[in-house]
Amino acid sequence: DTGVSQNPRHKITKRGQNVTFRCDPISEHNRLYWYRQTLGQGPEFLTYFQNEAQLEKSRLLSDRFSAERPKGSFSTLEIQRTEQGDSAMYLCASSSHDRGRNTIYFGEGSWLTVV
Amino acid sequence: GDSVTQMEGPVTLSEEAFLTINCTYTATGYPSLFWYVQYPGEGLQLLLKATKADDKGSNKGFEATYRKETTSFHLEKGSVQVSDSAVYFCALSGNNNNDMRFGAGTRLTVKP
Repeated sequence: DTGVSQNPRHKITKRGQNVTFRCDPISEHNRLYWYRQTLGQGPEFLTYFQNEAQLEKSRLLSDRFSAERPKGSFSTLEIQRTEQGDSAMYLCASSSHDRGRNTIYFGEGSWLTVV
Repeated sequence: GDSVTQMEGPVTLSEEAFLTINCTYTATGYPSLFWYVQYPGEGLQLLLKATKADDKGSNKGFEATYRKETTSFHLEKGSVQVSDSAVYFCALSGNNNNDMRFGAGTRLTVKP
């Protein structure tokens, strides 16, 4: 399977703990995106990378959220000092941005429950 | 800013019924338009897309036509199946493709 891979698929954590999610994009894709989806809503854009450069991060929800893509391949999304309101599905997606617009492919998501 | 508004659900249909899920958009420039489908517990799968006015996207019996004059991209299927039960999201991306905007989703349930 060469799709976008995310892990862990499910994470239950206590409030105040830090969590990290990993995303492995489709191998030839140079763009990687993070979205958050809460129940009954569409995905909400958080940040994206082109290769290892994080080109947009103003939409990250707070300074507790950070993302990295150190070698331009896999990415991590970290949430520090989790709060109950952080409970959601975190979606990773990737695309090949060569010329013009290209289709974004999503992973299956990482569910976070903060108790 | 750019946005998408889609028909509120839930929508419940009998098998073989005709489906329409309305989607309208607001955007500057010339966005690409998409329909994604999400099955329970899974991520989003691209269903179809259209990149310019009057384009028709189609896949698995679903169709949607990019209508610039009405800023719409309604999803249609002539005969739904139980296996089509899912949440459907309309989305758009602008020229830079770096910030896809989604509608709130429409849950479809198809009963035998």
